[in-house]
Amino acid sequence: GAVVSQHPSWVICKSGTSVKIECRSLDFQATTMFWYRQFPKQSLMLMATSNEGSKATYEQGVEKDKFLINHASLTLSTLTVTSAHPEDSSFYICSADITSTDTQYFGPGTRLTVL
Amino acid sequence: GNSVTQMEGPVTLSEEAFLTINCTYTATGYPSLFWYVQYPGEGLQLLLKATKADDKGSNKGFEATYRKETTSFHLEKGSVQVSDSAVYFCALRADSWGKFQFGAGTQVVVTP
Repeated sequence: GAVVSQHPSWVICKSGTSVKIECRSLDFQATTMFWYRQFPKQSLMLMATSNEGSKATYEQGVEKDKFLINHASLTLSTLTVTSAHPEDSSFYICSADITSTDTQYFGPGTRLTVL
Repeated sequence: GNSVTQMEGPVTLSEEAFLTINCTYTATGYPSLFWYVQYPGEGLQLLLKATKADDKGSNKGFEATYRKETTSFHLEKGSVQVSDSAVYFCALRADSWGKFQFGAGTQVVVTP
């Protein structure tokens, strides 16, 4: 099956610093990738839709200047949490679409802890 | 708008028991329906899916049937194992390029 990787799997940073999370489709090309945030014992909250070569589409209430998304190639999307604060601590999960199917494949997630 | 409702957990079962997790949805048109499973500390894995009414998705002993008349997609497994302990998410997608709508997730705990 399709494989999506994320790096790093976990990160701890100080308040005020920026953190970049990578999402890669390893064995397929993904024109569209999605970024989700998941709080403990809760469902996934869609943050933004990332299309290769164009600007990301953010969901209502998500700060685009704080959560910078870049989808520079068909296999890589990055999420940068800028000037991170403790309330940004969460589990971030990306997913990718395979062209011509309706299934999303998810990465293993990145645990961000901001001190 | 579209929505997915699934039964609250945790659901605690003994090994070899029968598992049912109810899922109902609200959507216009004919969405595709999915079950994803999340093990602790990991992302979501596709468990099964169905794309049209009366389709049955199945995988690893799990089954779910797309019932348009009752707008349901209940997940079942005849004999659970301890390794099935996880959180299960029901989801729908209204079209191939649309957003996923996830249910709240149901935690399943299987004891030896």
